[in-house]
Amino acid sequence: DQQVKQNSPSLSVQEGRISILNCDYTNSMFDYFLWYKKYPAEGPTFLISISSIKDKNEDGRFTVFLNKSAKHLSLHIVPSQPGDSAVYFCAASGSNFGNEKLTFGTGTRLTIIP
Amino acid sequence: DTGVSQDPRHKITKRGQNVTFRCDPISEHNRLYWYRQTLGQGPEFLTYFQNEAQLEKSRLLSDRFSAERPKGSFSTLEIQRTEQGDSAMYLCASRQGARSTEAFFGQGTRLTVV
Repeated sequence: DQQVKQNSPSLSVQEGRISILNCDYTNSMFDYFLWYKKYPAEGPTFLISISSIKDKNEDGRFTVFLNKSAKHLSLHIVPSQPGDSAVYFCAASGSNFGNEKLTFGTGTRLTIIP
Repeated sequence: DTGVSQDPRHKITKRGQNVTFRCDPISEHNRLYWYRQTLGQGPEFLTYFQNEAQLEKSRLLSDRFSAERPKGSFSTLEIQRTEQGDSAMYLCASRQGARSTEAFFGQGTRLTVV
């Protein structure tokens, strides 16, 4: 079963506009959420995270919002830049799991149109 | 220390051969993870080490797979009698411990079994 879901395989956004990537999860034991960015032939690069005790975390152009009741999080990138074109993975972990392994979604390919 | 290092970056092998991959984590990180990523999917957890102890293995890790982390430093992942279904990107990640949940990934080893 897919515990972390990214239902949009791809997204195209005009340069300078806002990019919104969405993620849903099913396991209520997840208490930490992360976004990773991945370029072809490279490993994922950590972008931003949020703990379940918060509903928003901001870092420069990147903001992550968490809605625990809906089991939904989103990543906002504003303004979008051509270098943001990559695959974005949502991931979740749980401090009660012991090993705190990450469970990933299937990714959203973001394309920024100049 | 420039991050998590994986070797080789690419490996092409014939079906039935054995292969071994190496991961050098960030030096102060005591937790090390192996993930596998196939086309169109997010990374999937394979196994986890805390120092030299292998604490969890996914059911994805068949008995043809073995991982070690001698002395709690670098780790190796060996696949015996490779099959075409083993073709994937093998990713290594490390993290510091309970105070830091962000896992840092290496660039991965791309395995192609022909």
